[in-house]
Amino acid sequence: QVPLQESGPGLVKPSETLSLTCTVSGGSINNDYWSWIRQPPGKGLEWIGYIHYSGSTNYNPSLKSRVTISTDPSKNQFSLQLRSVTAADTAVYHCARLLRKAAAGPHFDSWGQGTLVTVSS
Amino acid sequence: DIQMTQSPSSLSASVGDRVTITCRASQSINRFLNWYQQKPGKAPQLLIYAASSLQSGVPPRFSGGGSGTDFTLTITSLQPEDFATYSCQQGYSTPITFGQGTRLEI
Repeated sequence: QVPLQESGPGLVKPSETLSLTCTVSGGSINNDYWSWIRQPPGKGLEWIGYIHYSGSTNYNPSLKSRVTISTDPSKNQFSLQLRSVTAADTAVYHCARLLRKAAAGPHFDSWGQGTLVTVSS
Repeated sequence: DIQMTQSPSSLSASVGDRVTITCRASQSINRFLNWYQQKPGKAPQLLIYAASSLQSGVPPRFSGGGSGTDFTLTITSLQPEDFATYSCQQGYSTPITFGQGTRLEI
């Protein structure tokens, strides 16, 4: 397990772009898969997407047209951009490490505590 | 998308009780089912992966079972720190999906 910490604005205006960064401590981002997950108030967790250190990505089709996940290996960080946000994008956003083991299947073994992003004018 | 349905949505219990939470997948997911514990303001914690494997550092009072479409998370001898929300997650196919969560209350 590795410590993860999200950072970014807590308030975003409708139609603008939500941008968050996750800093990975105690381990290199040049391994494994790195993911973003969100939880709207009073609802369940929703997977947004993941990026492999090689640069390959996989996004939730429900958000794919608006999402970009990228890495900055020099800072041991990965980032989320969600474009054209609406009030429905208000949520706690978590970053997480996704382990993909053939026998065990994909699971999130390390999580950030999350950051609340509110979409409002 | 594979839908994950948990039951119950909330559960009241007491310290020392044994509780079981159920997660059902809308199609077979083999054993690619994971369980997480969430507490307000804290990072979610992986409890069980691959349906029944206990994550390192998790107390053995937590156990998981099932395969195919039906899975369970059992907590024996509830401790005060176990009152939290529990969520299941399937890793069989993308998009990765979660259950809606089960709130375990005193």
